[in-house]
Amino acid sequence: EPEVTQTPSHQVTQMGQEVILRCVPISNHLYFYWYRQILGQKVEFLVSFYNNEISEKSEIFDDQFSVERPDGSNFTLKIRSTKLEDSAMYFCASSAWDRYEQYFGPGTRLTVT
Amino acid sequence: GIQVEQSPPDLILQEGANSTLRCNFSDSVNNLQWFHQNPWGQLINLFYIPSGTKQNGRLSATTVATERYSLLYISSSQTTDSGVYFCAVDRGAQKLVFGQGTRLTINP
Repeated sequence: EPEVTQTPSHQVTQMGQEVILRCVPISNHLYFYWYRQILGQKVEFLVSFYNNEISEKSEIFDDQFSVERPDGSNFTLKIRSTKLEDSAMYFCASSAWDRYEQYFGPGTRLTVT
Repeated sequence: GIQVEQSPPDLILQEGANSTLRCNFSDSVNNLQWFHQNPWGQLINLFYIPSGTKQNGRLSATTVATERYSLLYISSSQTTDSGVYFCAVDRGAQKLVFGQGTRLTINP
């Protein structure tokens, strides 16, 4: 069964450094998403992406964040200058054009020290 | 925006017991999904159920869209069912809004 994959599974970085989280969505899906979950809290929407542009973003998704689909398979989330409060689990998801159901990857745990 | 409330927040049961988890939402939805977050933090997709009833083994779910709630039933609980169960909804804006989750603990 096709699945969403994410790399790395765990990343440790120092405050102020740039990080790029990578995702490979399901191959025939057209909508892509990033969510995050701070430890012990609920999952929060960050951004959705369709047709090579952002279709929706939350208040969390400020100028420090950016997304890109650099080729036909990868979908990336970049944080330009990480802060301690960016420490969280980041989930990538994708969905097909004709169905609302979202399929989630296993997540990347980001630790900012 | 849409509000999602899950109850109970915590549930502790013995192995073999049955459980019902509830999700209330404040507006009509195009998408409702149930997830199980395992101890490694992964979100496992259980059901896509914007309306109606579905069953998958010991798990089943029912969404009554007109009354804005969904129920997740777990029968004959096993210790591996432990974890946090999330309900998430979408009004068609292509962004899921998650509830706070129900933490289920199944004791042997």
